[in-house]
Amino acid sequence: GAGVSQSPRYKVAKRGQDVALRCDPISGHVSLFWYQQALGQGPEFLTYFQNEAQLDKSGLPSDRFFAERPEGSVSTLKIQRTQQEDSAVYLCASSSGLAETQYFGPGTRLLVL
Amino acid sequence: GESVGLHLPTLSVQEGDNSIINCAYSNSASDYFIWYKQESGKGPQFIIDIRSNMDKRQGQRVTVLLNKTVKHLSLQIAATQPGDSAVYFCAVTYSGAGSYQLTFGKGTKLSVIP
Repeated sequence: GAGVSQSPRYKVAKRGQDVALRCDPISGHVSLFWYQQALGQGPEFLTYFQNEAQLDKSGLPSDRFFAERPEGSVSTLKIQRTQQEDSAVYLCASSSGLAETQYFGPGTRLLVL
Repeated sequence: GESVGLHLPTLSVQEGDNSIINCAYSNSASDYFIWYKQESGKGPQFIIDIRSNMDKRQGQRVTVLLNKTVKHLSLQIAATQPGDSAVYFCAVTYSGAGSYQLTFGKGTKLSVIP
């Protein structure tokens, strides 16, 4: 079946712009995770959902970041008033349950100029 | 919190040799461990996992070893091939606290010499 998909794959934003990154999880996966990966580093946790409930958002770096998953399927990560330090790859992962294997999408590479 | 460290940031091996990539973690309560492979421009790809009630698990050409006493995890790749060239991450989680986030190491870049 299809894996996790993310769009757009690449996004260039001017500093101060708002961006929205989309994640389509594997069909039937109830758990969805967002990670941020800086160049040359491992992914770092941002937030996760169980169905439509956001159970942990402790990794969101500032109040400019928020995520939603209103119908328990597709999720959107929104970054308001982007800053240069937001430049990174944003990865989405889904799993069939919270303690199960997380499968990652290809990521969205965000560059803030 | 959890921290995950790597032993070598880069590893070069001859094609056909075996590769061993190591990882250390800090939280003795960690109970789920995963190895991912990440190629340039792609997301992490699941390779193999192991839970804390096991100390060894084998897949196709890969073996994961878990030593809970010294909080050490390793990935062994048999008969390494050029297609194995990538960055390998170990990831760790502790599900008992209700947090299912993965904590990743910084990764080891494996280069296979033909």
